[in-house]
Amino acid sequence: EVQLVESGGGLVQPGGSLRLSCAASGFTFSRCWMSWVRQAPGKGLEWVANINSDGSEKYYVDSVKGRFTISRDNAKNSLYLQMNSLRAEDTAVYYCAKVDYYNSGYYDYWGQGTPVTVSS
Amino acid sequence: DIQMTQSPSTLSASVGDRVTITCRASQSISGWLAWYQQKPGKAPKLLIYRASSLESGVPSRFSGSGSGTEFTLTISSLQPDDFATYYCQHYNRYPITFGQGTRLEI
Repeated sequence: EVQLVESGGGLVQPGGSLRLSCAASGFTFSRCWMSWVRQAPGKGLEWVANINSDGSEKYYVDSVKGRFTISRDNAKNSLYLQMNSLRAEDTAVYYCAKVDYYNSGYYDYWGQGTPVTVSS
Repeated sequence: DIQMTQSPSTLSASVGDRVTITCRASQSISGWLAWYQQKPGKAPKLLIYRASSLESGVPSRFSGSGSGTEFTLTISSLQPDDFATYYCQHYNRYPITFGQGTRLEI
């Protein structure tokens, strides 16, 4: 059974940093692209970042470029999102999502999400 | 960036109804479109990929169609469990974008 379990969310002040983690199991993590998708309170879904299977390719939405870094550790079956210079508009539930087996780009499994609140 | 626009934003329906949700892309995305269902406080769930392919385990009352810029999600006979919010997503190229969502309510 595929499982994605996020952790690391919480309350942080504007300008602060946070590192999210996603522990993956039930599939061959090292062969799959992975993603972070967020959802602000009461709003829709927003793609944040993608990373390829070996970590050599990374893509970001413009609003987080230069502030967020997606990474992975295939030996630990883990995905990460380092978030720096956080802003109020980064407040959201952050989901870890697995890209489909053929790396087409849709998400066949999602974690339960971890909430991030940026506020003073 | 490719903009995804869903209509309607809210849809009122009853159990047993046939409903259709539309998703329009601001430029052609071929068939690179997925549909998700989300219930309050839960993660999204994949329903349809490549515009019309039904994800394993998803009931056959769900179907998708379309290509290019116009796509539809149809639920043939609404069940109580189907009342939720539905999102389309393109994966034609970066940045990946989602529609704003369609809330399906009683």
